[in-house]
Amino acid sequence: EAQVTQNPRYLITVTGKKLTVTCSQNMNHEYMSWYRQDPGLGLRQIYYSMNVEVTDKGDVPEGYKVSRKEKRNFPLILESPSPNQTSLYFCASSLSNFLRGQGSYEQYFGPGTRLTVT
Amino acid sequence: KNQVEQSPQSLIILEGKNCTLQCNYTVSPFSNLRWYKQDTGRGPVSLTIMTFSENTKSNGRYTATLDADTKQSSLHITASQLSDSASYICVVSEDRGSTLGRLYFGRGTQLTVWP
Repeated sequence: EAQVTQNPRYLITVTGKKLTVTCSQNMNHEYMSWYRQDPGLGLRQIYYSMNVEVTDKGDVPEGYKVSRKEKRNFPLILESPSPNQTSLYFCASSLSNFLRGQGSYEQYFGPGTRLTVT
Repeated sequence: KNQVEQSPQSLIILEGKNCTLQCNYTVSPFSNLRWYKQDTGRGPVSLTIMTFSENTKSNGRYTATLDADTKQSSLHITASQLSDSASYICVVSEDRGSTLGRLYFGRGTQLTVWP
């Protein structure tokens, strides 16, 4: 079954304790991305990756790191989590390359990770 | 500054009625515009994707329109059902040639359908 998986689904941690949220897709997608969603603010892009070893900042990259060493995985790293990083996090993936003006590819979202930093 | 604005912020309609949601954007250069449906606590699910050359696209009871000149899009829902209750999100992609680039999200319109 084609899917995007995230782990863990729920996490409660304390300020300053490094954590990693994993994201994996089995669709051979080039493009992967991380988002956070907060009430009243909608989804905001944290980082995205257009392919292996290619990453770029989104709207809200501060306090986060990512890596893309292999195509299927795109972990999100919080080196020193703070309470303002309490949020619902989504990973997504899609094919990336398409002919300009000819359309684009569907983006598939994972189930979400609810993170609480105390 | 690249932005996506949606209106209304929330909307309540009766089952069986139609409704239209709006999206205005300033993203440039523009690549494509997507509408997503998101149920509470779950990941968004795509409804439509449109490029600058497409004026309208349908997906069942959902019809999206795009005016690339005025940078406006709308999502029309016909004969609403209780299951349509969700947040509807407009997303605009920045043109990076033939590669998917940065995405800009609206804050969504929260639709509630009452029986």
